Amino acid sequence: QVQLVQSGAEVKKPGASLKVSCKASGYTFTTYDIHWVRQATGQGPEWMGWMNPKSGNTGYARKFQGRVTFTRDTSITTAYMELSSLRSEDTAVYYCTRGQGFLGSLDHWGQGTLVTVYS
Amino acid sequence: QTVLTQPPSVSGAPGQRVTISCTGSSSNIGAGYDVHWYQQLPGTAPKLLISATSNRPSGVPDRFSGSKSGTSASLAITGLQADDEADYYCQSYDDRLSGSRVFGTGTKVTVL
Repeated sequence: QVQLVQSGAEVKKPGASLKVSCKASGYTFTTYDIHWVRQATGQGPEWMGWMNPKSGNTGYARKFQGRVTFTRDTSITTAYMELSSLRSEDTAVYYCTRGQGFLGSLDHWGQGTLVTVYS
Repeated sequence: QTVLTQPPSVSGAPGQRVTISCTGSSSNIGAGYDVHWYQQLPGTAPKLLISATSNRPSGVPDRFSGSKSGTSASLAITGLQADDEADYYCQSYDDRLSGSRVFGTGTKVTVL
């Protein structure tokens, strides 16, 4: 079965950087895009961007451009999300998700990684 | 910036039918982009409920159905059950926002 397993919770200070991993299994990793979505407590999901694991091509939501980077290691079917210059407003649960084709649904989700930013 | 607007809450008794609206604009739903719906139970990740406006993934009961008209979409739940109590989000694509996928504001469904 399709599984996306993310790295554990993180506590960061303002100004620091964050790297979350997402290990994919149960399907061909390079066939589907990986999207990253975050959700602050009590808020709706917020789309951050996507990455094509085969080509490495990426697309970032305007809000995060310049501060976020998606990468992958196809040898271990793992995607990564790096977010820099953290601030308190970045406190949220971060999810990796699998995208079903161009503009398709997000059909499988990781369990989420809680990131807390405070001084 | 709110792009897709949903009612904050809807409620119904067990067995009843409830609907959740998702109101967008000409740059997203009205432009013909697909709408997807997700169910989020407390403390868990969102789960795909309806894809491409009206398609149910395997395992999703046929009590859930989706539709779209103009700049809005709707999710209907018939035969409401206690375990339908959750947050529901619509999601589409907006071509004004440099190719961004956008989520709705979310609706809490309460089973009375």
